[in-house]
Amino acid sequence: DGGITQSPKYLFRKEGQNVTLSCEQNLNHDAMYWYRQDPGQGLRLIYYSQIVNDFQKGDIAEGYSVSREKKESFPLTVTSAQKNPTAFYLCASSRESFSYNEQFFGPGTRLTVL
Amino acid sequence: AQSVAQPEDQVNVAEGNPLTVKCTYSVSGNPYLFWYVQYPNRGLQFLLKYITGDNLVKGSYGFEAEFNKSQTSFHLKKPSALVSDSALYFCAVREASGNTGKLIFGQGTTLQVKP
Repeated sequence: DGGITQSPKYLFRKEGQNVTLSCEQNLNHDAMYWYRQDPGQGLRLIYYSQIVNDFQKGDIAEGYSVSREKKESFPLTVTSAQKNPTAFYLCASSRESFSYNEQFFGPGTRLTVL
Repeated sequence: AQSVAQPEDQVNVAEGNPLTVKCTYSVSGNPYLFWYVQYPNRGLQFLLKYITGDNLVKGSYGFEAEFNKSQTSFHLKKPSALVSDSALYFCAVREASGNTGKLIFGQGTTLQVKP
């Protein structure tokens, strides 16, 4: 999975709890992304970051938050405001975003709300 | 608005036969097109991309894809399928002139190769 690590692999959350998913890359990539994958819906973009200390909302940002304090790290927090958080979450990175560079994906975190 | 369509939820082929997984796209300018593969409970792996130039693009594991501008298609192909090719395949598009790295993904096509 190309130098991107995600932890934990499985995560269980109780209703009303915030949880944070970790994403780290050692590829020296400037851009990082968070996607949510649900069966039959492909991947939907939650947040993305083109450089350190900057990030933008994707298509389904409500109920999520991110930070980008270091180039190699882009953690995602799933807040209690996210009404249906059970899903498979994928982190990705690319050399830069204003280009044709492909994105490299981590192995994913499967979040289940109990 | 950009979009990608993968018209088949599932494609079934016999091992050794050629396979095609279909993808059509819609962008307002020139497209960058990508194919990824996903094995169960894993992240996506990059297979190939079209940027410009030759319409036939060769990628990993013997896969290739043909860009057809008039039909706005980017179908994934392989001359001889293997059982190990069974997986979920995603097509994705990015507008070449866009100012973000946003990729738009299709909903995915499950490829089942039977022995």
